[in-house]
Amino acid sequence: SYELTQPPSVSVSPGQTASIACSGDTLGNKFAYWYQQKPGQSPVLVIYQDNKRPSGIPDRFSGSNSGNTATLTISGTQAMDEADYYCQAWDSSTYVFGTGTKVTVL
Amino acid sequence: EVQLVESGGGLVQPGGSRRLSCAASGFSFSNYWMSWVRQAPGKGLEWVASVKQDGSEKYYVDSVKGRFTISRDNAKNSLYLQMNSLRAEDTAVYYCARYDSRGSYAFDFWGQGTLVTVSS
Repeated sequence: SYELTQPPSVSVSPGQTASIACSGDTLGNKFAYWYQQKPGQSPVLVIYQDNKRPSGIPDRFSGSNSGNTATLTISGTQAMDEADYYCQAWDSSTYVFGTGTKVTVL
Repeated sequence: EVQLVESGGGLVQPGGSRRLSCAASGFSFSNYWMSWVRQAPGKGLEWVASVKQDGSEKYYVDSVKGRFTISRDNAKNSLYLQMNSLRAEDTAVYYCARYDSRGSYAFDFWGQGTLVTVSS
């Protein structure tokens, strides 16, 4: 079965840039999606189709996808961005989520 | 405003059954694929099942095939998940999620979730 791997944690200082990698076999040939989940809340879509932002998502969130790695970048990270982030892709009629990354804003 | 409200969670014994419901409002329910996604306590997200707009196609994660059944009633704007032969590893918060197959091809709206605990 298809797997997506993320680093367990990423730390970033306020105002700096956080990058979260998501690795999967030929992931660049698929669309990658990213969801943000704050403690006790439901997931929220922040990036779709590799690099598009839904309405209402700040432009400090951006995405890219090439080769075996998709990347979510948070520029000018704010305290409110502290959350778990999950990548997701579609493969063979199934939806696969990444292992998740906890972003801590120090 | 899009709303998805899950219900039906609770404590169930191993081997038991439970039916989850998701009431949808604020959008044309019959135009969207719908899905269930779960999250075990302290763990990540896991897609469980999806159903096409008219119910004619259904897909499941391997671990629930033959035990869980996803269904929908477009007249009632409702999504269901019938869970049989429940196991401890099915303990999770179950989210109802709308899948946007006409635009983003993403899970663009999620409910608040309902907790299912499988324990004796």
